[in-house]
Amino acid sequence: DIQMTQSPSSLSASVGDRVSITCRASQGINNFLAWYQQKPGKVPKLLIYAVSTLQSGVPSRYSGSGSGTDFTLTISSLQPEDVATYYCQKYNSAPLTFGGGTKVEIK
Amino acid sequence: QVQLQESGPGLVKPSQTLSLTCTVSGGSISSGSYYWNWIRQPAGKGLEWIGRIFSIGSTNYNPSLKSRVTMSVDTSKNQFSLNLSSVTAADTAVYYCASHTGAWYFDLWGRGTLVTVSS
Repeated sequence: DIQMTQSPSSLSASVGDRVSITCRASQGINNFLAWYQQKPGKVPKLLIYAVSTLQSGVPSRYSGSGSGTDFTLTISSLQPEDVATYYCQKYNSAPLTFGGGTKVEIK
Repeated sequence: QVQLQESGPGLVKPSQTLSLTCTVSGGSISSGSYYWNWIRQPAGKGLEWIGRIFSIGSTNYNPSLKSRVTMSVDTSKNQFSLNLSSVTAADTAVYYCASHTGAWYFDLWGRGTLVTVSS
């Protein structure tokens, strides 16, 4: 099965900073990569699918990039409401695997 | 719009079977567009996909849980269900039902239900 590895596992940044989270697949997954945001005590929320397509209503400061095995979620200007754990998920085939998560905090 | 709601016992004894139901409202579970999934999350940990069922009953399970998982659909009640047998404390988690369409990312989630395995 394909494994999804996220890095870093946590990060702390200042408001307004550019933040990037990496997700690496153990095998190529083409562009079948999604990102989710989970705020503390809340349900995961779909942010991005197909590597770079923003889900409706997601702020434009979020962007996704990458191909093959290496993918990146970027927040162009970190806001206090972005405090959350972010997960990548591959969906090229079952099992539908998530990365381990990246916890984003405000410095 | 379509909404999902999990229900079931919050406490299950070790070695017993965990049984949860997800009720679909605002749409038909028999819609050919949707796959119905279960995902779980132990406290403070990440998300684990358990498996999915299509409206006609075909299933895919996570290989790590396949020997213990059964999913079913009840179209008359607009519900789908999860049975996880021989549970241990490691199965303690928030269990989410979620759905996806032809592209297999999850754009609809239930609110989640905490299941604790303890004697």
